[in-house]
Amino acid sequence: DADVTQTPRNRITKTGKRIMLECSQTKGHDRMYWYRQDPGLGLRLIYYSFDVKDINKGEISDGYSVSRQAQAKFSLSLESAIPNQTALYFCATSDRSDKVYFGAGTRLSVL
Amino acid sequence: QKEVEQNSGPLSVPEGAIASLNCTYSDRGSQSFFWYRQYSGKSPELIMSIYSNGDKEDGRFTAQLNKASQYVSLLIRDSQPSDSATYLCAVHSNYQLIWGAGTKLIIKP
Repeated sequence: DADVTQTPRNRITKTGKRIMLECSQTKGHDRMYWYRQDPGLGLRLIYYSFDVKDINKGEISDGYSVSRQAQAKFSLSLESAIPNQTALYFCATSDRSDKVYFGAGTRLSVL
Repeated sequence: QKEVEQNSGPLSVPEGAIASLNCTYSDRGSQSFFWYRQYSGKSPELIMSIYSNGDKEDGRFTAQLNKASQYVSLLIRDSQPSDSATYLCAVHSNYQLIWGAGTKLIIKP
């Protein structure tokens, strides 16, 4: 089983819909992250959490929210999806060495 | 704003040759540096980390760090077609990783 699991792997939704992307990890790491990746723009940080009670906005948090339900679970919500949120989304975890480990990604299309 | 710069490529290298990938960063206080490999449609995978000036070797990969000049590089010896991927440089700055946009490497048989 993967150490960092994202669900769903693919999602097509319509403009204005609320959607949730889920992430769970078995690595025992305290730190979790949500990134999006767009062609030519690299990875951009949406939100990060250093423990269950510590959640921080990243570079591009507008239009997104997160919930850290437990040490192992970190979900990302799009309250009202828009087409420019079409992207590849990655959940990741890290230990205190700053090495980051990624899930397989969720490919989201907003029509 | 902290930045990490990479040449987007593509960088084309013959099979068996040395591939050299470069990255510059803006935050002089950065202490941790990483190289990730990403195949098309897949997630990034950590291949090297380096924390002090000089070279660090792991198999066919060598990471080089020069903090005075603010650059980090990755050398891949005996390049194989399976090394064809996008290579991402990441620099730890102010409690988070700052990512370069990646260099696309193509190994030609």
